[in-house]
Amino acid sequence: DGGITQSPKYLFRKEGQNVTLSCEQNLNHDAMYWYRQDPGQGLRLIYYSQIVNDFQKGDIAEGYSVSREKKESFPLTVTSAQKNPTAFYLCASTEWQGEKNEQFFGPGTRLTVL
Amino acid sequence: GQQLNQSPQSMFIQEGEDVSMNCTSSSIFNTWLWYKQEPGEGPVLLIALYKAGELTSNGRLTAQFGITRKDSFLNISASIPSDVGIYFCAGRPGSNYQLIWGAGTKLIIKP
Repeated sequence: DGGITQSPKYLFRKEGQNVTLSCEQNLNHDAMYWYRQDPGQGLRLIYYSQIVNDFQKGDIAEGYSVSREKKESFPLTVTSAQKNPTAFYLCASTEWQGEKNEQFFGPGTRLTVL
Repeated sequence: GQQLNQSPQSMFIQEGEDVSMNCTSSSIFNTWLWYKQEPGEGPVLLIALYKAGELTSNGRLTAQFGITRKDSFLNISASIPSDVGIYFCAGRPGSNYQLIWGAGTKLIIKP
């Protein structure tokens, strides 16, 4: 089945540690996105990538890093510089078709800093 | 940055009632999308709208792209318990890849 997978579902990290969240899609989509969601809040864009080997900062990129070495993969690293990393992280992708830009989401990773 | 105002923030409804929610923007959007998110899961796309005035249905859900291109509405008819969740609107201004998101409307069924 085509879709977006994120792993792990739950992740625990000690303060001061970097951690990498995985996002893989087999939809052959061009663009991929990382969002952060806090309790009772909407989605805030961290980073996005329109094509392989290219990515742009979103609204809250500080303390995060990404790479896009393959079309199907867009891992997110939460670094120790992120002051409040506990949140729900969502990965999305879209196939750019002219005016259409429907983003499809993975199941999310809940990160908790201990 | 651009913002979407989504209202209401939450709704308590009786099973069988109709539900309405909306999103408004201060600027023009080319696309409106409506998503539903259940606890601990990623949002799922419900309806996509691409033209001003467009009215689209998906089962008991109906959404409209406002004629001014600055707003959109989602209606749910005859609500059932599985409708509970958070509904998000998202809009795309211009031709870039980013979406602007509303803060969500939480739908709760009264016991």
